[in-house]
Amino acid sequence: GAVVSQHPSWVICKSGTSVKIECRSLDFQATTMFWYRQFPKQSLMLMATSNEGSKATYEQGVEKDKFLINHASLTLSTLTVTSAHPEDSSFYICSASPTALYEQYFGPGTRLTVT
Amino acid sequence: AQSVTQLDSQVPVFEEAPVELRCNYSSSVSVYLFWYVQYPNQGLQLLLKYLSGSTLVKGINGFEAEFNKSQTSFHLRKPSVHISDTAEYFCAVSPGNQGGKLIFGQGTELSVKP
Repeated sequence: GAVVSQHPSWVICKSGTSVKIECRSLDFQATTMFWYRQFPKQSLMLMATSNEGSKATYEQGVEKDKFLINHASLTLSTLTVTSAHPEDSSFYICSASPTALYEQYFGPGTRLTVT
Repeated sequence: AQSVTQLDSQVPVFEEAPVELRCNYSSSVSVYLFWYVQYPNQGLQLLLKYLSGSTLVKGINGFEAEFNKSQTSFHLRKPSVHISDTAEYFCAVSPGNQGGKLIFGQGTELSVKP
């Protein structure tokens, strides 16, 4: 149980275009979903926290207009990287938490490469 | 504010040897503690967690960790490692009053050699 999927697993896009990444909890309802980015050989940095039906809470330094997060249902959250640039290339990982907020289940990640 | 420090960025070890990955944290509030493992190009898998109760926590794949409140540490141990344990290991804390937010350490790369 507690499976989280991400789609796509990898994507290459051209500079200036937008990319949408989906995060789904497959066998549980996720009140809260989290989005992280991870640069090579580095740790995960929390970008934002999203609760179903409300606006996401962004961490300091994360541009909310660039990284649009939508959490429209208890099983789906999306991250849209708008007007992507090469410096946005990274590994994006989502996690989902059921009502017991001390536990997060992680997706497999999405590798974004902006050329 | 909370922070997590993993004291070793890389730990090379021979197969069947014991290993300890060190983690210290700082926090002004009570925290929950976690260890995750990440294999290349994959997401994170929970190894074990400490929420309350016994300070010695057993997890999957033969790993265990001990919570030491006085030393604010949560070191991960395994008595005998396998080649398949080669991966990146992350220690994380979740402050009890911040809605499940996780703060990660820098990671420790465990490399098991034959």
